[in-house]
Amino acid sequence: GAGVSQSPRYKVTKRGQDVALRCDPISGHVSLYWYRQALGQGPEFLTYFNYEAQQDKSGLPNDRFSAERPEGSISTLTIQRTEQRDSAMYRCASSPVSSYNEQFFGPGTRLTVL
Amino acid sequence: AQSVTQLDSQVPVFEEAPVELRCNYSSSVSVYLFWYVQYPNQGLQLLLKYLSGSTLVKGINGFEAEFNTSQTSFHLRKPSVHISDTAEYFCAVIPISGNTPLVFGKGTRLSVIA
Repeated sequence: GAGVSQSPRYKVTKRGQDVALRCDPISGHVSLYWYRQALGQGPEFLTYFNYEAQQDKSGLPNDRFSAERPEGSISTLTIQRTEQRDSAMYRCASSPVSSYNEQFFGPGTRLTVL
Repeated sequence: AQSVTQLDSQVPVFEEAPVELRCNYSSSVSVYLFWYVQYPNQGLQLLLKYLSGSTLVKGINGFEAEFNTSQTSFHLRKPSVHISDTAEYFCAVIPISGNTPLVFGKGTRLSVIA
């Protein structure tokens, strides 16, 4: 079956612009996670959802970052007024309710802020 | 809180030689342990996981890892590597207590030389 998909795969934007990154999880998966991975680092947690409820947003670096999952499926991570330091790979993962400890990752979105 | 240390950022090895990628973790609670692999231009893929039972865990592509509670380590091994094993490898942990995000190490880049 289809895995986790993310779009766009690459995004180049100018400083100050808003961007929206999309994640389409595996069908039926309850939990959805967002991570950010800087060059040479491992992924770092941003936020996660169970169904449509945002359970933990402690990893969001500041109030320019927000996420939603309104119907408990597709999620959007929005970064407002982008800055160069926001440049990174943004990864989405999902997990089924029966195996919360196994997360399936999408290919990521490479964001470059000029 | 949990932390993961991958002791080597880069490991070059000749084809058909054995390899060990080291991972140490710190946690005040019991954890589940994972190794993920990232091939070029692809998403993170689960290689193997330790949840309970035997401390020697076998994964895909001939990899295995051993959970050592006294040394809080979860080193990844393969007796004979192939060119196609060239990738970045990430060790990660989750507390067993609940639905919480993965904590990753910084990754080890394995380069297999012909």
